[in-house]
Amino acid sequence: KQEVTQIPAALSVPEGENLVLNCSFTDSAIYNLQWFRQDPGKGLTSLLLIQSSQREQTSGRLNASLDKSSGRSTLYIAASQPGDSATYLCAVLMTTDSWGKLQFGAGTQVVVTP
Amino acid sequence: DAGVIQSPRHEVTEMGQEVTLRCKPISGHDYLFWYRQTMMRGLELLIYFNNNVPIDDSGMPEDRFSAKMPNASFSTLKIQPSEPRDSAVYFCASTPQGSLGTGELFFGEGSRLTVL
Repeated sequence: KQEVTQIPAALSVPEGENLVLNCSFTDSAIYNLQWFRQDPGKGLTSLLLIQSSQREQTSGRLNASLDKSSGRSTLYIAASQPGDSATYLCAVLMTTDSWGKLQFGAGTQVVVTP
Repeated sequence: DAGVIQSPRHEVTEMGQEVTLRCKPISGHDYLFWYRQTMMRGLELLIYFNNNVPIDDSGMPEDRFSAKMPNASFSTLKIQPSEPRDSAVYFCASTPQGSLGTGELFFGEGSRLTVL
């Protein structure tokens, strides 16, 4: 059974510092891994999606890496801003599961202080 | 594109009442998912549809929960009778079918349900 873990559960950094968020999974038979952002009282916004054949994806200040063999993904956010404060969740789609049936981590709550 | 649209955004009801949550997926998306989010259990998949047909409802907690998708642009999640432990945020999400998409899920803003 796949387990998705995100450590730490919460993180506070001063503005301008780089953020490093970790996601680990126990079963490497993934189809893809997706990073989401969730603001309080809001839905989930997709940030980056990495296919199992890819090593990383980049979008602006965001970079996500994937190491399937070690069961890890890392989301880097460069030069953090107060607007980056949110909960970040990772989710995996297993090759053995039906299309779109994601398994989520519990999330990392990020606070960027001015 | 308007994105996934859910209603109501907030619902407060009393135990025993029927609750109906609604979702309009993104046009052209063949898959529709209902997720539930609680502090204790995080995000859990309840049920999903492909081309309006329920494919996997193993996540539906009890017979009190039911979901329908009468057409490609509308789905409902019904709880009858509701109980306080059903209090959660219910999310709807959609995605195009595998050959046309990357597996990226698009979520609605959620319906926050409070059962007193």
